[in-house]
Amino acid sequence: QSVLTQPPSVSGAPGQRVTISCTGSNSNIGAGYAVHWYQQLPGTAPKLLISDNNIRPSGVPDRFSGSKSGTSASLAITGLQAEDEADYYCQSYDASLGARVFGGGTTLTVL
Amino acid sequence: QLRLQESGPGLVKTSETLSLTCTVSGGSICTSTHYWALIRQPPGKGLEWVGSVYCSGTTYYNPSLMGRATMSVDTSKDHFYLKMNSVTAADTAVYYCARHLGLTTKSFDVWGQGTMVTVSS
Repeated sequence: QSVLTQPPSVSGAPGQRVTISCTGSNSNIGAGYAVHWYQQLPGTAPKLLISDNNIRPSGVPDRFSGSKSGTSASLAITGLQAEDEADYYCQSYDASLGARVFGGGTTLTVL
Repeated sequence: QLRLQESGPGLVKTSETLSLTCTVSGGSICTSTHYWALIRQPPGKGLEWVGSVYCSGTTYYNPSLMGRATMSVDTSKDHFYLKMNSVTAADTAVYYCARHLGLTTKSFDVWGQGTMVTVSS
């Protein structure tokens, strides 16, 4: 059971917008710790997608955006493309555990 | 361009010690701002931070590992290492090397390709 809760799966048609939620608590996201998002394409290592809640590293398309409010964060993907099919993970720091923590991951299916 | 490469035994016997090496290339392991981490992913499951090491040798571990993990660094080789003792099948995973800035709040911005470690009797 992950400290950060994500939906196991989301889906959308090409061109649509999808969002992936990441729900934490007052010892992690709610305490002000940054949320980061990673994309893991099948059979590959995770790749940083969004850092510090809403910052896109160089090379990440602006179709990807992040937001944070209270004890939750969200990843939004607009203009969905087939190449976006992947697992997505949120990550933060939990002060109670004294550990960097990940969400359980969300599998995005492009219909 | 910074690259991380994991190397390990592939197969470790139950109750023995797992040893992994991460090689940093395209940059120095010893900078003023970067830490080096191990993250693992059991087959079909999510990601788990194992620990982090700074080039001074300062280390931080996930408390869930109950003190079984030890990380170290060799700045002359630009390598960092993980040793995990008393392994069980639950330690079977792909192990990734990664880099992060700062200590608690920064993201893992560079990852290695990962190496599979299977624990079996």
